[in-house]
Amino acid sequence: DAGVTQTPRHEVAEKGQTIILKCEPVSGHNDLFWYRQTKIQGLELLSYFRSKSLMEDGGAFKDRFKAEMLNSSFSTLKIQPTEPKDSAVYLCASSLTGRDTGQLYFGEGSKLTVL
Amino acid sequence: QQNVQQSPESLIVPEGARTSLNCTFSDSASQYFWWYRQHSGKAPKALMSIFSNGEKEEGRFTIHLNKASLHFSLHIRDSQPSDSALYLCAGTGGYKVVFGSGTRLLVSP
Repeated sequence: DAGVTQTPRHEVAEKGQTIILKCEPVSGHNDLFWYRQTKIQGLELLSYFRSKSLMEDGGAFKDRFKAEMLNSSFSTLKIQPTEPKDSAVYLCASSLTGRDTGQLYFGEGSKLTVL
Repeated sequence: QQNVQQSPESLIVPEGARTSLNCTFSDSASQYFWWYRQHSGKAPKALMSIFSNGEKEEGRFTIHLNKASLHFSLHIRDSQPSDSALYLCAGTGGYKVVFGSGTRLLVSP
């Protein structure tokens, strides 16, 4: 079974650029999460979708971060414009709706460096 | 909003030692409790979970939950170098999953 696939694995951007990160969840999973991971803050929720509907948009991340779920098997996270403080690993995770046990399946992440 | 404190932040133990990692939740909102393990540069992966008070053992790993004290722990018996990773605890209630900031474990050969 394919797990969660994230691309690109590494991205280097200049300050002010627009970047788009992509995620393919586990086939059949209806819940999709975007997290940002840093050593200082740990995992921070950016967005949460259930059956393609945006359920949570991560509050503080609203202004420059936009996640979309174009279909049940593909999601994007757009950061516009990027700032150096956005340098982090962006993790996508999916889970099976109806089993609210908290088991998330993560991708290996997209490491973003903003210069 | 619920938050989770993990301790210690980092830990170095010799191979063969018993290791204990701890989490404390700020309230009782969570229903399921998980430990995730993340090797460097890899995806976090679910390790073990527990729903009710008590202990659960799988191989060298034991988790313990005390809902009254909001305390959740992971114990590793006979720690191996391959156990070196970032360990994240998580609690879930409904769709919400809250993570601790992690404990970085290094097991020295």
